[in-house]
Amino acid sequence: AQKVTQAQTEISVVEKEDVTLDCVYETRDTTYYLFWYKQPPSGELVFLIRRNSFDEQNEISGRYSWNFQKSTSSFNFTITASQVVDSAVYFCALRMNNNAGNMLTFGGGTRLMVKP
Amino acid sequence: EAQVTQNPRYLITVTGKKLTVTCSQNMNHEYMSWYRQDPGLGLRQIYYSMNVEVTDKGDVPEGYKVSRKEKRNFPLILESPSPNQTSLYFCASSLGMGAYNSPLHFGNGTRLTVT
Repeated sequence: AQKVTQAQTEISVVEKEDVTLDCVYETRDTTYYLFWYKQPPSGELVFLIRRNSFDEQNEISGRYSWNFQKSTSSFNFTITASQVVDSAVYFCALRMNNNAGNMLTFGGGTRLMVKP
Repeated sequence: EAQVTQNPRYLITVTGKKLTVTCSQNMNHEYMSWYRQDPGLGLRQIYYSMNVEVTDKGDVPEGYKVSRKEKRNFPLILESPSPNQTSLYFCASSLGMGAYNSPLHFGNGTRLTVT
């Protein structure tokens, strides 16, 4: 069975600090897909990034970067120079290849609070 | 604008009173799904549908029904709601079976309270 663990339930930083959100996953499959979603206070779920298991290149998008390491089964998310607008709950999710329900398995989420 | 639309956003009801949460997508997606979000548990899949008239149970289907008579619509039905179904519900859609790298597009959520 697959599992996603986000050990940090809540993180509080001051604006302009860098912050890393941890995501560790478990799966027996060799092909799988990892996702990050953002849930701002308004409640919607916003897709941020997708990573395939066979592509270990890290990715940077503006102040956001993602570090995928198969050796440690981790897919960590770093926000550089955090801003108040980054305050949200962030979810890491895993989808197996060939799973019947096309289901995403979500971690419990990390609530990030960025204080001015 | 490509979107998944859920209604209502907020719903307060009493135990046993049947209710329906509607979901509609305009992206011609084959796959649709319902999730519930509870504190500390993340999101868990309730039901999913691979295409019209094809539905199946997710991880937590008890107490829920769905139907998929048209491609764009995927309503969630609670025949006899109970307080343990108080939760935040999300409808989602994506490209169909085989497109495992396709991200789910979520609606804005429906916050349901059952008293």
